[in-house]
Amino acid sequence: AQSVTQLDSHVSVSEGTPVLLRCNYSSSYSPSLFWYVQHPNKGLQLLLKYTSAATLVKGINGFEAEFKKSETSFHLTKPSAHMSDAAEYFCVVPRGRNQFYFGTGTSLTVIP
Amino acid sequence: DGGITQSPKYLFRKEGQNVTLSCEQNLNHDAMYWYRQDPGQGLRLIYYSQIVNDFQKGDIAEGYSVSREKKESFPLTVTSAQKNPTAFYLCASSIDTLWNTEAFFGQGTRLTVV
Repeated sequence: AQSVTQLDSHVSVSEGTPVLLRCNYSSSYSPSLFWYVQHPNKGLQLLLKYTSAATLVKGINGFEAEFKKSETSFHLTKPSAHMSDAAEYFCVVPRGRNQFYFGTGTSLTVIP
Repeated sequence: DGGITQSPKYLFRKEGQNVTLSCEQNLNHDAMYWYRQDPGQGLRLIYYSQIVNDFQKGDIAEGYSVSREKKESFPLTVTSAQKNPTAFYLCASSIDTLWNTEAFFGQGTRLTVV
């Protein structure tokens, strides 16, 4: 069965420093993978998605993620954090027709 | 603009009452979902529907009911049987059939039992 594990429940970075949010997946084949962002009391917004076309995926707001099959990872990165990046981030994998498996989320704090 | 609209944004309910959360989409998506979000627990699937007049239980369906009479609408009723209904509820939709299509989310409804 497909699943994801977000390795950090909370990450703190200083403004202007790199961001790394880690996600490992479990799947018997190369899955589709998504990263979503959620700001407080808001819905989830798609940051980027991997669908096997390219291993390095660029998303919105300067985020990108690299699919590494050998490591079963799909970590989210950004070169320079901005205050507006403070939010909850979810790694997601489809787990069947019309169903999704959500990681438990990583809360990102950006320190001025 | 296409999207998903949830209403109301905040909802208060007395214990023992049923309450219905609205979810409407104009994306022409076949599949719709209801998730519950609690602090530190991520999202848990309550119900989903792949097509009009059809829906399936998710992981935590007890105490909830849904209907799918129209493609655009997927209301969720939180019944008095739900023991701990206070939570943030998210509705989503996706295009059917393809595994690499993402879900689109509404802005959520925060339900508080008083």
